[in-house]
Amino acid sequence: EAGVVQSPRYKIIEKKQPVAFWCNPISGHNTLYWYRQNLGQGPELLIRYENEEAVDDSQLPKDRFSAERLKGVDSTLKIQPAELGDSAVYLCASSPRGGHGYTFGSGTRLTVV
Amino acid sequence: GQQLNQSPQSMFIQEGEDVSMNCTSSSIFNTWLWYKQEPGEGPVLLIALYKAGELTSNGRLTAQFGITRKDSFLNISASIPSDVGIYFCAGLNYGGSQGNLIFGKGTKLSVKP
Repeated sequence: EAGVVQSPRYKIIEKKQPVAFWCNPISGHNTLYWYRQNLGQGPELLIRYENEEAVDDSQLPKDRFSAERLKGVDSTLKIQPAELGDSAVYLCASSPRGGHGYTFGSGTRLTVV
Repeated sequence: GQQLNQSPQSMFIQEGEDVSMNCTSSSIFNTWLWYKQEPGEGPVLLIALYKAGELTSNGRLTAQFGITRKDSFLNISASIPSDVGIYFCAGLNYGGSQGNLIFGKGTKLSVKP
């Protein structure tokens, strides 16, 4: 069984440019999460989806970040425009409904220069 | 965002030694999880604890869910070089509108052969 798939693995962009990350969760997992992990820190939640509905986006900086999960399967996280402080690893995770069985992808390492 | 208090921040040990790390929170959790993260990868689940007082083992790893539901510890016995990595504790309250993992800042483990 394929795990959570994320792409790209690495991305280097100049500040003020847009960037997008893609995530395909484990088949059958209703819940999808985007986390951000700053250097030397644990991951912090940005947004959680139950199917196609964003049920918790309280930590998402909505002025520049957006996310979608149109068909309740794969998801895209976008930053526009990127700032230097957005440099981090962006992790996607999925779980069956209820939160058990969390599985993380390998992440996208974003560097904003 | 909220994070758990995890200690120690880092450990340098000799192969064969035992390791102990712990995690505390000001809030109670229904579930405590321990993850290991290696460079360039997402966190991988090691042990999940679902009940206060629960003691669970996974090979050389043993973890306990504190009676107060506000703490947990992880022990690694007879460490080996492949134990190197960053270990994260995470608390979870699942069900309803909850289901977001709250992470500690991690314990970086180095093992000298």
